[in-house]
Amino acid sequence: AQTVTQSQPEMSVQEAETVTLSCTYDTSENNYYLFWYKQPPSRQMILVIRQEAYKQQNATENRFSVNFQKAAKSFSLKISDSQLGDTAMYFCAFMKHRSGQNFVFGPGTRLSVLP
Amino acid sequence: DSGVTQTPKHLITATGQRVTLRCSPRSGDLSVYWYQQSLDQGLQFLIQYYNGEERAKGNILERFSAQQFPDLHSELNLSSLELGDSALYFCASSVTSGSETQYFGPGTRLLVL
Repeated sequence: AQTVTQSQPEMSVQEAETVTLSCTYDTSENNYYLFWYKQPPSRQMILVIRQEAYKQQNATENRFSVNFQKAAKSFSLKISDSQLGDTAMYFCAFMKHRSGQNFVFGPGTRLSVLP
Repeated sequence: DSGVTQTPKHLITATGQRVTLRCSPRSGDLSVYWYQQSLDQGLQFLIQYYNGEERAKGNILERFSAQQFPDLHSELNLSSLELGDSALYFCASSVTSGSETQYFGPGTRLLVL
């Protein structure tokens, strides 16, 4: 079974600075997808970024980028120019290829952006 | 706005009761997933439907059931409710049953007293 670990329960960052959230996962699969979801105080789950394991190039989405290290099974999220609206719980998630029901979430990292 | 809608937003009920949560997927999405998010257990997959048929079951209790209707909306039925069923219930949808990204609805917050 796949597992996802987020070793930082809480983090804080000053507005406009950069922060990196860590995620590691355990799987024997070769084809899979990795995601970062954001859950602000409204509790809505919002997709931040997605990475296909077969792609070596790291995914980017505006101020959000990932560092995907397949061999190390590491998938960190970097937030640049942090904004107050980035304050949220961030979940790392794993999905085996062609297996939407096997969507495994990490325990989350609570990020606070400070003014 | 993800395009996935869920009703009601909040639900307060008593132990032993039965409730129904409703989800409408994004236009064009055939697959619906239900998740439970409680404080102590994170986000747990409950069940998946694809084009009206059950596709996969996760950690869903026997007291819970779901269905997906011809118009693709889905309902999650929770019966004989217990205090521990209090949680946030999310519905998500994707285009097919495979690896496409899942888009989440706003959730239904259930409180069992």
